[in-house]
Amino acid sequence: QLQLQESGPGLVKPSETLSLTCTVSGGSISSGIYYWGWIRQPPGKGLEWIGTIYYSGTTYYNPSLKSRVTISVDTSKNQFSLKLSSMAAADTAVYYCATHPFYFGSGSYFDYWGQGTLVTVSS
Amino acid sequence: QSVLTQPPSVSGAPGQRVTISCTGSSSNIGSGYNVNWYRQIPGTAPKLLIYGDNNRPSGVPDRFSDSKSGTSASLAITGLQAEDEADYYCQSYDTSLSGWVFGGGTKLTVL
Repeated sequence: QLQLQESGPGLVKPSETLSLTCTVSGGSISSGIYYWGWIRQPPGKGLEWIGTIYYSGTTYYNPSLKSRVTISVDTSKNQFSLKLSSMAAADTAVYYCATHPFYFGSGSYFDYWGQGTLVTVSS
Repeated sequence: QSVLTQPPSVSGAPGQRVTISCTGSSSNIGSGYNVNWYRQIPGTAPKLLIYGDNNRPSGVPDRFSDSKSGTSASLAITGLQAEDEADYYCQSYDTSLSGWVFGGGTKLTVL
């Protein structure tokens, strides 16, 4: 059973870069079975897919965030990370890491989720 | 605005059947991409409810089912129970955006 755990700062200043890490246990990122994704949810609002990485390093980004997002993977630590630059108040949200099965390709669904971490953008 | 459109809220009495619609376009649902559904209790992470062609993860009762037609999909819940009260989200893939997309979510209230 995969388990995912987000870690990172709960408070970020405007214009700064957010850095979050997702640590995976119960399975290997290098297995190739899953894509590894980031999703966020502003308070009281819906879910927004941020981006996804495959263990090989291939990335897929939400076009609306692409200019500010970098997702990377560290197979030696079984972790993947999110960097979101030029943070603004509108980026305040709960950030989730999640997996989705590679073999489903574009039809993939998010089956394992971290508990989420609230990131607040404020000076 | 979300790429997939859901009603903000639906309600039903215990034992009733309710449906939640998810309307997309020719670049997502209409292109044949899977529609997947999630349930979220406020303050917790979403949980996968239905995936692919009406598949349910272990533990999800068969009171939950989905259907798809054209550019829309629907989640049906029969025998409504108080514990079904939650937020529900649909999700698919959009070929124009080259990425995965979610609906705006629907709050289900059990009267």
